[in-house]
Amino acid sequence: GQQLNQSPQSMFIQEGEDVSMNCTSSSIFNTWLWYKQDPGEGPVLLIALYKAGELTSNGRLTAQFGITRKDSFLNISASIPSDVGIYFCAGTQGGSEKLVFGKGTKLTVNP
Amino acid sequence: NAGVTQTPKFRVLKTGQSMTLLCAQDMNHEYMYWYRQDPGMGLRLIHYSVGEGTTAKGEVPDGYNVSRLKKQNFLLGLESAAPSQTSVYFCASSKRGLGNQPQHFGDGTRLSIL
Repeated sequence: GQQLNQSPQSMFIQEGEDVSMNCTSSSIFNTWLWYKQDPGEGPVLLIALYKAGELTSNGRLTAQFGITRKDSFLNISASIPSDVGIYFCAGTQGGSEKLVFGKGTKLTVNP
Repeated sequence: NAGVTQTPKFRVLKTGQSMTLLCAQDMNHEYMYWYRQDPGMGLRLIHYSVGEGTTAKGEVPDGYNVSRLKKQNFLLGLESAAPSQTSVYFCASSKRGLGNQPQHFGDGTRLSIL
């Protein structure tokens, strides 16, 4: 099936630093979503992007839908300890309801 | 993750046993999904449903069956459990839409097959 390449696989940062992660594909996606998963819980939606070029913020989080429709990035500004978790990108293609997920970026924030 | 409830939360099975995982949502969503999550693999779609009485195969359907007899419930069955089915299983639901409605996830069922 279609793969989403998410990078980096893991990040170790100091509290207060900014974080950037991205997701790329060889084919076009119509929707890009970013989820966060805390240990022992299900993924929680952070930001949803529906149009190429769209830039959307949610508090300290900002995500963009790439203009080629083949990539997306997520930025976290001024990281705090509760940002720790695994961040997943996901997307849909065509009229499909099926989400394709990246393999995740594991974020560790050192106080 | 209010709105999507999965039961049980944990289960240990022996190879060859059968069981059913239950997902219930109270958001009146049309679409429901079952995923499995394995280390380093992200989430992979097993089966999904676009409405009551309908089901469809996802990326990794083999060894699983599903039923959607009621709109609010989506059942995932393992007829003869195998160690390769050891995983964390997530259910999700979303409103009707052309891929533009975000999915809401439950907290998962951790299943071990010995």
